[in-house]
Amino acid sequence: KNQVEQSPQSLIILEGKNCTLQCNYTVSPFSNLRWYKQDTGRGPVSLTIMTFSENTKSNGRYTATLDADTKQSSLHITASQLSDSASYICVVTVNSGNTPLVFGKGTRLSVIA
Amino acid sequence: GAVVSQHPSWVICKSGTSVKIECRSLDFQATTMFWYRQFPKQSLMLMATSNEGSKATYEQGVEKDKFLINHASLTLSTLTVTSAHPEDSSFYICSIFGGGVFYSTDTQYFGPGTRLTVL
Repeated sequence: KNQVEQSPQSLIILEGKNCTLQCNYTVSPFSNLRWYKQDTGRGPVSLTIMTFSENTKSNGRYTATLDADTKQSSLHITASQLSDSASYICVVTVNSGNTPLVFGKGTRLSVIA
Repeated sequence: GAVVSQHPSWVICKSGTSVKIECRSLDFQATTMFWYRQFPKQSLMLMATSNEGSKATYEQGVEKDKFLINHASLTLSTLTVTSAHPEDSSFYICSIFGGGVFYSTDTQYFGPGTRLTVL
């Protein structure tokens, strides 16, 4: 069964600190993995997309890693800001004709002053 | 700027009434749009795939007669929740894959969502 598991479920950090969110998946065949940021009451916004051959990709203070062998990804946030408070969702695309997406439940990050 | 818009952003209705939610692609034509539902602290769940000019494809367990989808044009899809009940209260989000010149076809762009509360 195709699944995406994220950890931790929620996280509270102080402003300025770094944090790392984890995503493990059992999706086959794998096409790509995306990290989305979803603010409360808003739709998700894409942060990064990674294909099988990519190990790391950065977008500003966000750095995503992918280990296709262990089927793990991480999202590292550097020098967190209050505006980083949101849910971070890991989404894996199945490589099939209709390209279905498998969503994780997200990690709820709260950055406090 | 926004790629996908939704209207309304929130709606409150009485049980038994019908509610229509619009999803618009703002910057390019979208032959396919996706409708998701998200309950509090849960992941997005795909309800249906809306195809311009043809019938929508519904996911298992989603009642097609209750959630009517009309993809009237290449920039507009509507989701109508018929005879809404309190258990239909949820956050409804539409999305499209990128297109045109500036938007990656590998990325799914989500609308801002519509919060439905059925009393």
